[in-house]
Amino acid sequence: SQKIEQNSEALNIQEGKTATLTCNYTNYSPAYLQWYRQDPGRGPVFLLLIRENEKEKRKERLKVTFDTTLKQSLFHITASQPADSATYLCALLWGTDRGSTLGRLYFGRGTQLTVWP
Amino acid sequence: DGGITQSPKYLFRKEGQNVTLSCEQNLNHDAMYWYRQDPGQGLRLIYYSQIVNDFQKGDIAEGYSVSREKKESFPLTVTSAQKNPTAFYLCATRRQGPNSPLHFGNGTRLTVT
Repeated sequence: SQKIEQNSEALNIQEGKTATLTCNYTNYSPAYLQWYRQDPGRGPVFLLLIRENEKEKRKERLKVTFDTTLKQSLFHITASQPADSATYLCALLWGTDRGSTLGRLYFGRGTQLTVWP
Repeated sequence: DGGITQSPKYLFRKEGQNVTLSCEQNLNHDAMYWYRQDPGQGLRLIYYSQIVNDFQKGDIAEGYSVSREKKESFPLTVTSAQKNPTAFYLCATRRQGPNSPLHFGNGTRLTVT
């Protein structure tokens, strides 16, 4: 069965540094990968999507990479701020769901990021 | 404003009682989903629906039931058969297209004692 692992449960960094979060998966590569942000007591909010044929995607201070050889995605937040503190989830779509409008997404457990001043 | 409304935010029930969680959307999205989130675990899919009057089981459907009588609404019933119902329940929607993201409500925290 497919498995998704996010590198650590918690990551603490100093304001201004770059935060790097990891998402690893097993078996065959997903059609695409998404990253979400979740604040305590709230639903996740979509941040970025990267397709299997894309190496890198950027949005403001966010950057996502996708390495199908390593079976890994990296999520970077540059010039991090305390307001970036949240839990970040990666989600993947696989196999027969590729062409489906429905598309079942499978989520990792998330990494809790804390940015301290 | 467009969005997804889950109510109530907090829900308390006694063991053995069925309880229904509400999810309403005005995004005009076809697909709707119910996820369950437990501390230290990823989101797990309970049920999903692509069109009105049709829905499919997710990975942990046992002890749950749903209906999709209207496009805007996808209520989830947690039955007494669900062994560990205490959790954070999230409803999500998605528009047409394989690359479209999920849009989530702000969840209902259910506590069963």
